[in-house]
Amino acid sequence: NAGVTQTPKFQVLKTGQSMTLQCAQDMNHNSMYWYRQDPGMGLRLIYYSASEGTTDKGEVPNGYNVSRLNKREFSLRLESAAPSQTSVYFCASSETGTTNEKLFFGSGTQLSVL
Amino acid sequence: TQLLEQSPQFLSIQEGENLTVYCNSSSVFSSLQWYRQEPGEGPVLLVTVVTGGEVKKLKRLTFQFGDARKDSSLHITAAQPGDTGLYLCAPYTGNQFYFGTGTSLTVIP
Repeated sequence: NAGVTQTPKFQVLKTGQSMTLQCAQDMNHNSMYWYRQDPGMGLRLIYYSASEGTTDKGEVPNGYNVSRLNKREFSLRLESAAPSQTSVYFCASSETGTTNEKLFFGSGTQLSVL
Repeated sequence: TQLLEQSPQFLSIQEGENLTVYCNSSSVFSSLQWYRQEPGEGPVLLVTVVTGGEVKKLKRLTFQFGDARKDSSLHITAAQPGDTGLYLCAPYTGNQFYFGTGTSLTVIP
């Protein structure tokens, strides 16, 4: 059981380049999330998708776009990468996105923007 | 953004010692979760607390939700090297979980 799978594991970009981070879950979960984790800042929510076909902004959405391609997949796109977007990115999923639910996380993508 | 504070930020102790880490806010939460994160991995859920004053135990870990549902604590008894990791509290408010900055725990053999 793979759970939540993120690709790539590591990525280095130059300022202004674009890229898409991929995330897929095999637990038939309705809700999916993208977080970024920076030293001393904890995990901050970028975007989430409560269900297939819907997406909403989280705490730090600027500079990012998302696509809920189907129930399994939720991608995060950086159109023009900036050094401030250097971070570790985590995708997560939960069954319905309601209180008390367990979040299942992928193992992260370490992104460096030079 | 909810103001959420975890303390201490870093903690290094000897194997066998006891410790407590705290998660505090001025906001009231409907529930709160604790996660542990190991290097190179995503966080893994330890517990969810829902009721004010609730205490849950997970082996040597004891979790408490404050009476007013604004704060929580995690107590570890007789810490072991396997307890090393980043402990994150995540209160639920509105329709999402907010994560604290975490307490980085190192247990020295």
